[in-house]
Amino acid sequence: NAGVTQTPKFRVLKTGQSMTLLCAQDMNHEYMYWYRQDPGMGLRLIHYSVGEGTTAKGEVPDGYNVSRLKKQNFLLGLESAAPSQTSVYFCASSYSIRPDAPNEQYFGPGTRLTVT
Amino acid sequence: TQLLEQSPQFLSIQEGENLTVYCNSSSVFSSLQWYRQEPGEGPVLLVTVVTGGEVKKLKRLTFQFGDARKDSSLHITAAQPGDTGLYLCAGDGSNSGYALNFGKGTSLLVTP
Repeated sequence: NAGVTQTPKFRVLKTGQSMTLLCAQDMNHEYMYWYRQDPGMGLRLIHYSVGEGTTAKGEVPDGYNVSRLKKQNFLLGLESAAPSQTSVYFCASSYSIRPDAPNEQYFGPGTRLTVT
Repeated sequence: TQLLEQSPQFLSIQEGENLTVYCNSSSVFSSLQWYRQEPGEGPVLLVTVVTGGEVKKLKRLTFQFGDARKDSSLHITAAQPGDTGLYLCAGDGSNSGYALNFGKGTSLLVTP
């Protein structure tokens, strides 16, 4: 049981290049999330998904796209990378939210992205 | 967005000392979670508190949820170097949809 895995762990991009970050979970979780973490800013939600084939915008969605073609995978795409997207990206997943259950999230190890 | 303020922002103590970190908001949360994040790793869930006034213990860590469910505290007794990390609180609010509202964290360094 690997939990939440992310690939790659590190990446350096030049401005304007594109890339896709892959997140996979083996816990059969319905909900998946992409966050970015920057010094002094905390964790900020980029996009999330409440199930296969569905996605929604979070707090900072501009410049990113996502897809959830399979329940276990959640992809984050950068079409034209900018230096402002230099950050550490975390994927997380959680069980489907019931009214009486807290939204406990399980995080991957992160991807450190530098855009020059 | 329901804001969570964590204090202190940084804390450096010696092994064996006690400490308390705080997580405060003007909003009510249905539950509140504490995570610990070690350098180069993702956050790991420590505990979830749900009921106002609730106290939970995890070995040397004691978590308390405020009576009004707007604040929480984490107390560590006899801190050890292994406690070093970033402690994040996250609120599960009534108007936050599917998102957790994260505080910016308290960075704790425990030196031998």
